[in-house]
Amino acid sequence: ETGVTQSPTHLIKTRGQQVTLRCSSQSGHNTVSWYQQALGQGPQFIFQYYREEENGRGNFPPRFSGLQFPNYSSELNVNALELDDSALYLCASSRGQGDTEAFFGQGTRLTVV
Amino acid sequence: QKEVEQNSGPLSVPEGAIASLNCTYSDRGSQSFFWYRQYSGKSPELIMFIYSNGDKEDGRFTAQLNKASQYVSLLIRDSQPSDSATYLCAARPASGGSYIPTFGRGTSLIVHP
Repeated sequence: ETGVTQSPTHLIKTRGQQVTLRCSSQSGHNTVSWYQQALGQGPQFIFQYYREEENGRGNFPPRFSGLQFPNYSSELNVNALELDDSALYLCASSRGQGDTEAFFGQGTRLTVV
Repeated sequence: QKEVEQNSGPLSVPEGAIASLNCTYSDRGSQSFFWYRQYSGKSPELIMFIYSNGDKEDGRFTAQLNKASQYVSLLIRDSQPSDSATYLCAARPASGGSYIPTFGRGTSLIVHP
């Protein structure tokens, strides 16, 4: 078990709705990265937060947004949900941007109907 | 477009055999390479990372890197049924701010008794 926790673990939303996913990073970690993993695919990088600032973004539209708080926990917000947003959303925390060890949370399974 | 390619499998090996998992990457700027294990419905967990050409051993696992050929592999000796999982390969640049890793889609390994 890593010290990274995500909530909720499962979620069902309707197309067009908005969702907020949460991640508590491991103690001592100041960097959180978010990934989307569709069934049968590898994780796709959404964005990273380092010390409360967005520090890199993958090829995702602006309706994917995030925050990092002073305690380094983080939120991922997705507006105007689409069916293709159905996936496992993973957050990973690390001690810094270049840290070789990033620990994943257990993920949030989002289903959009 | 940075890509990491893996044969999706499944790769089936008998218990006690050596399992060989392979990965190629397109970005010559990649400097660090990671192998993650992901059980069905769970989040990825880091097995090992490598950044120097050659072999790196950790218990039953050996990672091999050949930067000239842009090739990374993972050998699992004395395979056990508990090793049955999807193995994700990831490549990461040494710079670029957020050290964004690119993941392959994973290779499914089945170790049968």
